[in-house]
Amino acid sequence: DSGVTQTPKHLITATGQRVTLRCSPRSGDLSVYWYQQSLDQGLQFLIQYYNGEERAKGNILERFSAQQFPDLHSELNLSSLELGDSALYFCASSVGSSGGHQETQYFGPGTRLLVL
Amino acid sequence: EDQVTQSPEALRLQEGESSSLNCSYTVSGLRGLFWYRQDPGKGPEFLFTLYSAGEEKEKERLKATLTKKESFLHITAPKPEDSATYLCAVQAGGSNSGYALNFGKGTSLLVTP
Repeated sequence: DSGVTQTPKHLITATGQRVTLRCSPRSGDLSVYWYQQSLDQGLQFLIQYYNGEERAKGNILERFSAQQFPDLHSELNLSSLELGDSALYFCASSVGSSGGHQETQYFGPGTRLLVL
Repeated sequence: EDQVTQSPEALRLQEGESSSLNCSYTVSGLRGLFWYRQDPGKGPEFLFTLYSAGEEKEKERLKATLTKKESFLHITAPKPEDSATYLCAVQAGGSNSGYALNFGKGTSLLVTP
């Protein structure tokens, strides 16, 4: 158990709908990352938050947005869903200092999204 | 653009048959290279971080090494429970990258009794 929790575990919805995925980081971690894993693309970085502020952006679609709340949990919002958005969505957390040293990311169990 | 390539895509070993997985990378300013293990439908599980060429780390039957262009994950006398997908990822320098990980597509390892 990594200490990162994600809800829900599974989500089935229809095209055009909107969903919210939730992540709670490990105790003491300030950084939260979101990744998408599909069969053909592998694990792709979406976005990082550090202590409530957006820190870095990857290949995140404009239909997707995220935020990190004062209690450090994070939510990923996916809207106008398409069939191609079906994937595993992972949240990871790290200590997230402002220094330049390396950071190990610990991953949650993921949310499996199926868009029908 | 940063790239991470893992080979082979799939590997089947007999129990006790040692082998190596390869991760070659091109990155502007390597902060760290990470190895994760992923079981089907689960989140990646952290194994190792390597920071500089020449570094080696070991854990049970696994040993990771790093050069300036690639990393190897050596598996010695594997057991069926080592069956999983092994993912390699690089963390690049630069103020705009945050601490994002750039993953390879993984090597799917099957160890048979």
